[in-house]
Amino acid sequence: EVQLVESGGGLVKPGGSLRLSCVASGFTFSNVYMSWVRQAPGKGLEWVGRLTSRVAGGRTDYSSPVKGRFTISGDDSKNTLYLQMNSLRTEDTAVYYCTSSHVAGGFDIWGQGTMVTVSS
Amino acid sequence: DIVMTQTPLSSPVTLGQPASISCRSSQSLVNSDGNTYLSWLHQRPGQPPRLLIYQISNRCSGVPDRFSGSGAGTDFTLKISRVEAEDVGVYYCMQVTQHPYTFGQGTKLEIK
Repeated sequence: EVQLVESGGGLVKPGGSLRLSCVASGFTFSNVYMSWVRQAPGKGLEWVGRLTSRVAGGRTDYSSPVKGRFTISGDDSKNTLYLQMNSLRTEDTAVYYCTSSHVAGGFDIWGQGTMVTVSS
Repeated sequence: DIVMTQTPLSSPVTLGQPASISCRSSQSLVNSDGNTYLSWLHQRPGQPPRLLIYQISNRCSGVPDRFSGSGAGTDFTLKISRVEAEDVGVYYCMQVTQHPYTFGQGTKLEIK
């Protein structure tokens, strides 16, 4: 079964760091485009960043609010995608979803999400 | 960044009646490869989003045929031919033609 499972969320103080993990099963994550998407409480969806497929160069791109603070990486041996979040701000509080694209231009597999709360 | 604007933001619908959601982008979503990467997602409370339609009009596996997508360039529409109770929730359009990828604000579909 194709699925994504996120972990690593929790409560962190402003200025702190957290690393989220997304374990892929049923497929090889480096063969597809992967993204992180977040959703603040009661708000809409916001794209955070992506890792392109190996064939597309394995490039990372980020949204403006997180650029320079967040880093996406992957571990082929663990088939796992990561989101390293540094210099966290209260406005980073959200459920963070990992998602993968198995159809052209569509993110069709989503994890259940992991909650990140940034508060003093 | 490409701004995605959805209308309406809320849509009360009677069961069995049609529903329509519009999504407009601030610039053309036609990619350099000739494809248009506009998709529609549905999210129920407490659940992750689910992809319904990609590349304007392609339904994902398992999506009922009462859902259809149309449009071109900067104007797109999601239609539900006959709303069922399970269709409630929030619908988002999303563009992945150009990064940063962007979503519409969401349209809440509720039953009258």
